[in-house]
Amino acid sequence: EAGVVQSPRYKIIEKKQPVAFWCNPISGHNTLYWYRQNLGQGPELLIRYENEEAVDDSQLPKDRFSAERLKGVDSTLKIQPAELGDSAVYLCASSRITNSDEQYFGPGTRLTVT
Amino acid sequence: DQQVKQNSPSLSVQEGRISILNCDYTNSMFDYFLWYKKYPAEGPTFLISISSIKDKNEDGRFTVFLNKSAKHLSLHIVPSQPGDSAVYFCAASGGSNYKLTFGKGTLLTVNP
Repeated sequence: EAGVVQSPRYKIIEKKQPVAFWCNPISGHNTLYWYRQNLGQGPELLIRYENEEAVDDSQLPKDRFSAERLKGVDSTLKIQPAELGDSAVYLCASSRITNSDEQYFGPGTRLTVT
Repeated sequence: DQQVKQNSPSLSVQEGRISILNCDYTNSMFDYFLWYKKYPAEGPTFLISISSIKDKNEDGRFTVFLNKSAKHLSLHIVPSQPGDSAVYFCAASGGSNYKLTFGKGTLLTVNP
């Protein structure tokens, strides 16, 4: 079974530029999560999808962040415009159902904003 | 406000000895607790979990203990192996909200 795939693995951009991250969850997993992990911190949930519906986006900074999960499979997280404080690792995870202990994480995208 | 706290940023133990990683929480609504392990440049991987109706859960070399009155849980690894060297995250969830709240992590180094 293939794991959660994320791309790119690394991204360096200048502030005020846009950036997008892509995630392909494990096949058959209906729930998809985007997390942000700042240096020295644990992951923090940004948004959770059940199929194509965003059921929890309370932690997503909606002024500059957007996400979509068309057709309930892969997902894209976008930042526009990026700020210096957005430098972090962005992790995607998926689970078959919304179940705490069955979240499978991808390797993450390390974003550096200069 | 940090609802899940891992107060030890790092821990170093000798191979074959016991590793004990600690975690404290403040939110009384938390009823499910998990430990994740993370290697560099990889995402966290689920290790072991425990429900609040239990006080102990064991899986091979890994045992998690939960003390609800103290709002404290710990992960024991016996015996520790060099391959266990990683960052360990404690996480918690509660009620109908499946949102995981993570601690900051503890870097475990097992020396040969």
